[in-house]
Amino acid sequence: EVQLVQSGPEVKKPGESLRISCKTSGYSFTTNWIAWVRQMPGKGLEWMAIMYPGDSDTRYGPSFKGRVAISVDQSIRTAFLQWNSLEASDTAIFYCAKAPTGTSVPYHFDSWGQGTLVTVSS
Amino acid sequence: DIVMTQSPDSLSVSLGATATIKCKSSRSVLYSYNYLAWYQQKPGQPPRLLIYWASTRGSGVPGRFSGSGSGTDFTLTISSLQAEDVAVYYCQQYYNTPGTFGQGTKVEIK
Repeated sequence: EVQLVQSGPEVKKPGESLRISCKTSGYSFTTNWIAWVRQMPGKGLEWMAIMYPGDSDTRYGPSFKGRVAISVDQSIRTAFLQWNSLEASDTAIFYCAKAPTGTSVPYHFDSWGQGTLVTVSS
Repeated sequence: DIVMTQSPDSLSVSLGATATIKCKSSRSVLYSYNYLAWYQQKPGQPPRLLIYWASTRGSGVPGRFSGSGSGTDFTLTISSLQAEDVAVYYCQQYYNTPGTFGQGTKVEIK
């Protein structure tokens, strides 16, 4: 069974750093693109960033490039999303999601994590 | 970026009736196949893949959900609407990155 289990909710202050995680199991980690998707309170889904763990090919949405960093640790089958300096506008639920196996470009997302709520407030 | 526009933003449908959601892309997402997916998101839950390649149902998705269309215009049809279909539905193109989503369509029971 494919599982993507995300880290728990976070409450941070503006300017602080943060790294959230997505631990995976049940599929070949290195041959499936893995992505992060943002959902701001009461809003829709926004594609943030994606990485192919097999060769570290990484793509960012233009609104997120330079603001966040996606990374993976193959040894523990885990993807990460990191901020160096949070802003109040980063308050949202963040989902990790995987694309189908063995594709050279990222396709649709066939499995999703449960979401991580990040609250940034002074 | 490819812009995805859904219509309507919300709709209210009677139990057992048909719900129809439209999705239009700002440029064609057809390249051998239509690079278009539909997702369902129920309150408090992550999204769930319903349809990919515009018309292929995801694993375990009931047959009352169907997708159609090609190029820039796509439709998600929910036949015989059930109470458990109350959700927000999103289309997404994966023709290129970023794989942009539509703004979502909220489906309620009339």
